[in-house]
Amino acid sequence: AQSVTQLDSQVPVFEEAPVELRCNYSSSVSVYLFWYVQYPNQGLQLLLKYLSGSTLVKGINGFEAEFNKSQTSFHLRKPSVHISDTAEYFCAATGSKLSFGAGTTVTVRA
Amino acid sequence: NAGVMQNPRHLVRRRGQEARLRCSPMKGHSHVYWYRQLPEEGLKFMVYLQKENIIDESGMPKERFSAEFPKEGPSILRIQQVVRGDSAAYFCASSPQGENEQFFGPGTRLTVL
Repeated sequence: AQSVTQLDSQVPVFEEAPVELRCNYSSSVSVYLFWYVQYPNQGLQLLLKYLSGSTLVKGINGFEAEFNKSQTSFHLRKPSVHISDTAEYFCAATGSKLSFGAGTTVTVRA
Repeated sequence: NAGVMQNPRHLVRRRGQEARLRCSPMKGHSHVYWYRQLPEEGLKFMVYLQKENIIDESGMPKERFSAEFPKEGPSILRIQQVVRGDSAAYFCASSPQGENEQFFGPGTRLTVL
């Protein structure tokens, strides 16, 4: 079974600054990786996913993530954030079922 | 194509009552998953169902919780004799057969008084 660790629970960032959200996973088998975003009082929306192929994955809203097999990481990045990016972000991994990290709350300030 | 539908969006129950949460998967999706999100925590897997079958219920509490996905109609997550600790957001997700990506509903926020 997979376990997913999100290393930062809270990330405050200024508008137009870059942001990186860290995610590590542990798995002994091939794994698929996802980043989801949850806006207040809403469900989860898929940002991007890694299934195979290129290790740099581009998603919606200008986000991208890089799969690093040797470091078992799948960090999420955005070069310039907007106020509207304030949300909670979840990293997830799946083999037979989806396992989520505890989430990272991103607060973007003007 | 409508997304995953959950109802009700908000549910208030008193201790000891039953809570029924409904999930209609996206059209063409035959796999349904239920997750629970406690305050300040991530999502925890509860159960994975296909039509008329429970595939994996390793995340379900041993007592009071049950889930079904009948041949016709929505998937139901049932919580009997609710307690305050059951207060949480319950999310349903669905996927097409053989796919890894899951599509999430808006959730049902259960409050137990």
